[in-house]
Amino acid sequence: RKEVEQDPGPFNVPEGATVAFNCTYSNSASQSFFWYRQDCRKEPKLLMSVYSSGNEDGRFTAQLNRASQYISLLIRDSKLSDSATYLCVVIGGATNKLIFGTGTLLAVQP
Amino acid sequence: NAGVTQTPKFRVLKTGQSMTLLCAQDMNHEYMYWYRQDPGMGLRLIHYSVGEGTTAKGEVPDGYNVSRLKKQNFLLGLESAAPSQTSVYFCASNPDRIYGYTFGSGTRLTVV
Repeated sequence: RKEVEQDPGPFNVPEGATVAFNCTYSNSASQSFFWYRQDCRKEPKLLMSVYSSGNEDGRFTAQLNRASQYISLLIRDSKLSDSATYLCVVIGGATNKLIFGTGTLLAVQP
Repeated sequence: NAGVTQTPKFRVLKTGQSMTLLCAQDMNHEYMYWYRQDPGMGLRLIHYSVGEGTTAKGEVPDGYNVSRLKKQNFLLGLESAAPSQTSVYFCASNPDRIYGYTFGSGTRLTVV
């Protein structure tokens, strides 16, 4: 089983839609959690950290469920510019390094 | 403030050739990392460094060597390139292991 698993998608949604991604992780001792965004042929960029209490940044909301070992990202009022691959990232595990999911592709349609 | 800079951005090698990828950061970060990204595989850690003069193996270290002689630079070497090393290579750094990374813009390497 992969340490971090994501649905690869693609998620095709119309502008203005709300879309949610989930990510599961296998190591219950994992300490920190992030969502990164990666545009085609670009480097990953930090979108937001994920805190136990949940956190919101504008149209983006991230939540952590330690009991079920998953994190989620909710995007409200989707924009064309939100089209990208969203990477779930977990710190922890045997190496205590950042472990990346393979990403979920989002395509927002006009 | 340039952040993390990788050179070169693109390179084509013949099988058996050697090359060095350079990563430089100007944020005084202790931790630096080299990843490769392949379709369907996600980002995989090759080697990393927790400070000047230190290096350690990651998930896929075979065929690569690294050096961190100066805090701001982390070099990735391919001694004898193979087609399986065709990939996009990303360097990243962070000030401490609990923080997210800052990535370089990547090096696209093709080995023919």
